Amino acid sequence: DAGITQSPRHKVTETGTPVTLRCHQTENHRYMYWYRQDPGHGLRLIHYSYGVKDTDKGEVSDGYSVSRSKTEDFLLTLESATSSQTSVYFCAISPRFNQPQHFGDGTRLSIL
Amino acid sequence: DQQVKQNSPSLSVQEGRISILNCDYTNSMFDYFLWYKKYPAEGPTFLISISSIKDKNEDGRFTVFLNKSAKHLSLHIVPSQPGDSAVYFCAASSDLAGGTSYGKLTFGQGTILTVHP
Repeated sequence: DAGITQSPRHKVTETGTPVTLRCHQTENHRYMYWYRQDPGHGLRLIHYSYGVKDTDKGEVSDGYSVSRSKTEDFLLTLESATSSQTSVYFCAISPRFNQPQHFGDGTRLSIL
Repeated sequence: DQQVKQNSPSLSVQEGRISILNCDYTNSMFDYFLWYKKYPAEGPTFLISISSIKDKNEDGRFTVFLNKSAKHLSLHIVPSQPGDSAVYFCAASSDLAGGTSYGKLTFGQGTILTVHP
């Protein structure tokens, strides 16, 4: 299995609070991605990174920000959480853009 | 507008028979297609991929077929086993031509496969 750790695995928080999810990899892969999974939508890309400090927006980036200060860590931040951001969040990594991505086991986030 | 669609939410198959999962796409720029399998409480696991220069790719019990003119791909599992019961996602990207989409994947909604013993 690809060395990907997501933390926390579960979180419950209140509307309006900031939340940070962490993705840590031990594979030294260049590319990292954050997706959210919701019923009826499959997985949708939030943000991605193609190198340290190189990030860009995905399909559903509103309300989210990311940071990548070192190769192994990719952080996803909800500045002010809303109930619509209740979801399961997956991190993925890939050594090259045209190779399969490998996923972590996800973070289940509930915003009340 | 959903660019990748899996129109069957679920599929039920008897053990030993063939499972066929289907996926349609609308973006003609997609040139790399993947199938992932997902068990509850786990992340998606890569199964098999195909590039647009091929129309078939096999890996053991899994075969993916690509029909570019119809913008359709399918995953065949033969023979199906109870352990194959999971959610299957197809995904697509447009990177093989060396473009700048950085491997961004567009996923279908998923199909729940149940294989009965």
